[in-house]
Amino acid sequence: VIRMTQSPSLLSASTGDRIYISCRMSQDITTHLAWYQLKPGEAPKLLIYAASALQRGVPSRFNGSGSGTDFTLTISCLQSEDFATYYCQQYHSLPYTFGQGTNLEIK
Amino acid sequence: QVQLVQSGGGVMQPGRSLRLSCATSGFNFMNSAMHWVRQSPGKGLEWVALISYHGRTTYYADSLRGRLTVSKDFSSNSVFLHVASLRLEDTATYYCARSAAGFNFFDFWGHGSVVIVAS
Repeated sequence: VIRMTQSPSLLSASTGDRIYISCRMSQDITTHLAWYQLKPGEAPKLLIYAASALQRGVPSRFNGSGSGTDFTLTISCLQSEDFATYYCQQYHSLPYTFGQGTNLEIK
Repeated sequence: QVQLVQSGGGVMQPGRSLRLSCATSGFNFMNSAMHWVRQSPGKGLEWVALISYHGRTTYYADSLRGRLTVSKDFSSNSVFLHVASLRLEDTATYYCARSAAGFNFFDFWGHGSVVIVAS
């Protein structure tokens, strides 16, 4: 089982800020990593796949980077609608696993 | 317009069985693998089951293996999850999600079905 360490678990920021969320794997997953946004009462939303590919319709202020074992989600110029919980997910091998989540809150 | 409309769930007694449904539209169901992911209260996301695009192959999380059955109905473009012998720890929001055949990230999700297991 591939283990994932996502950090931070809680992040306080203001609109206009740039933030970084990290996801570290227990083994090399090449670029088989996705990022999702979750808001209460809504369907989860795919943001990034293949570590750095932006899903259609996702604003360009979302950026994914990394390969192998270390990955980062960067959100530039935070907007009010970006305050949510974010998860990374590896799909390199079964069982697919998620990071522990990052709750992005308004400072 | 892609839709994944979930039904089922509710308050269930321990030891009973549960069937969740996910009716899909707006994408090629024949070329899509379908997954179930759950989120327990106060916890993160947990992948629990996968059924391949052709419906002949299934995979389950080890922690639930033996109690889960996932199936597809191509006539209604729906996917189902049966959970047997419910436990208190099965309390969660269950999401269905799609991945295109050959890709294993989830590009479309349902809104979730809330399952509460309580005596």
